[in-house]
Amino acid sequence: QSALTQPASVSGSPGQSITISCTGTSSDVGSYNLVSWYQQHPGKAPKLVIYEGSKRPSGVSNRFSGSKSGNTASLTISGLQAEDEADYYCYSYAGSNTYVFGTGTKVTVL
Amino acid sequence: QVQLVQSGTEVKKPGASVKVSCKASGYTFTSYDISWVRQAPGQGLEWMGWISAYNGNTNYAQNLQGRVTMTTDTSTSTAYMELRSLRSDDTAVYYCAKISGYSGNEFDYWGQGTPVTVSS
Repeated sequence: QSALTQPASVSGSPGQSITISCTGTSSDVGSYNLVSWYQQHPGKAPKLVIYEGSKRPSGVSNRFSGSKSGNTASLTISGLQAEDEADYYCYSYAGSNTYVFGTGTKVTVL
Repeated sequence: QVQLVQSGTEVKKPGASVKVSCKASGYTFTSYDISWVRQAPGQGLEWMGWISAYNGNTNYAQNLQGRVTMTTDTSTSTAYMELRSLRSDDTAVYYCAKISGYSGNEFDYWGQGTPVTVSS
């Protein structure tokens, strides 16, 4: 199972919006609406920010939103803030009770 | 509150085995599956597999089949991950993560991570 493809880095200025893509195949992202997104600050465990493609867990800012088109899922962070600087990973069900992470994206707030 | 507390740092020689524990509290242990995820230094997250805390069913990542075993002890609400025939590229931080009650396909709580170093 190959990792889902994400851009290595994305940057934006405070207040701007950025979008992180997560490209899989018709066997994972394209077949299921089961993509979740995680934020990871250095030295910390990941934190769930989006599940089922576009749903936000309780307590997560509404500046985080998710979507999917075909084999590509996307995470958008609007109103970028300094605290959003972190690594972000997508994660998808891949069938037969297996799962796969994305390659990860480093978000820099300029 | 939900907590997953993992065992401490491990240093192993190539060819050895390591067993990491993950003690859960704050919820009904048998109601949610546990997954294990690892992260090599400076690298991304890698899904290793999951175990049903209800009946012990498991599914492992293909690249770890035959070297990894995940178990649970429901009497102590603890999950275990054992990795055998360790290699240098198994050096990583190992996390346990609780499957959420949302869709059952994401993680809502994580352990603090257990660093494992494999070196001669």
